[in-house]
Amino acid sequence: GEDVEQSLFLSVREGDSSVINCTYTDSSSTYLYWYKQEPGAGLQLLTYIFSNMDMKQDQRLTVLLNKKDKHLSLRIADTQTGDSAIYFCAEIPGYSSASKIIFGSGTRLSIRP
Amino acid sequence: NAGVTQTPKFQVLKTGQSMTLQCAQDMNHNSMYWYRQDPGMGLRLIYYSASEGTTDKGEVPNGYNVSRLNKREFSLRLESAAPSQTSVYFCASSEGTDYTEAFFGQGTRLTVV
Repeated sequence: GEDVEQSLFLSVREGDSSVINCTYTDSSSTYLYWYKQEPGAGLQLLTYIFSNMDMKQDQRLTVLLNKKDKHLSLRIADTQTGDSAIYFCAEIPGYSSASKIIFGSGTRLSIRP
Repeated sequence: NAGVTQTPKFQVLKTGQSMTLQCAQDMNHNSMYWYRQDPGMGLRLIYYSASEGTTDKGEVPNGYNVSRLNKREFSLRLESAAPSQTSVYFCASSEGTDYTEAFFGQGTRLTVV
């Protein structure tokens, strides 16, 4: 289908790991992204992964890509209160122009003390 | 260095009124975009401009027009606002259509009554 799918909500305890999952639409997508939106702000690029990679690690963030299942995940280690935000998965499908990035609906991450 | 600046931040319109949302970027980016964000639906592309002098429709262009005034500025116009256009509008820019990173404005919260 056309939709990039994410669950809408995730709640984790401070200090635990958060795992946000995403299913994307096109196995030929070249770039897959995670954007973060803090309250009242625009989106900021958190990290991205090229489709020829399986994993990318950047400090507390780990991105895993399963091309066979078209599944992308973002793991945040040692989750802090500052990680509270909405996280968007996004792709550029191979069948569309690079300008037409498709965003998921976003996962709202909340942190419990 | 302001990045992407949108004005206004908030606006309330009556049905049938018109208005223009302004967007300017100071990063010398070629590509600019207008999105709308609705609860549970992620971001949907309204229009984009791959370069100065060109504009193209996105996923949800009906009821909107755009102008790429120059390389810096990309405006979005609602000619006759409808309640269905109540949303948060984001402008974004990127260096090219390759889309390795898009920079977003702070958003305009528009309510049509």
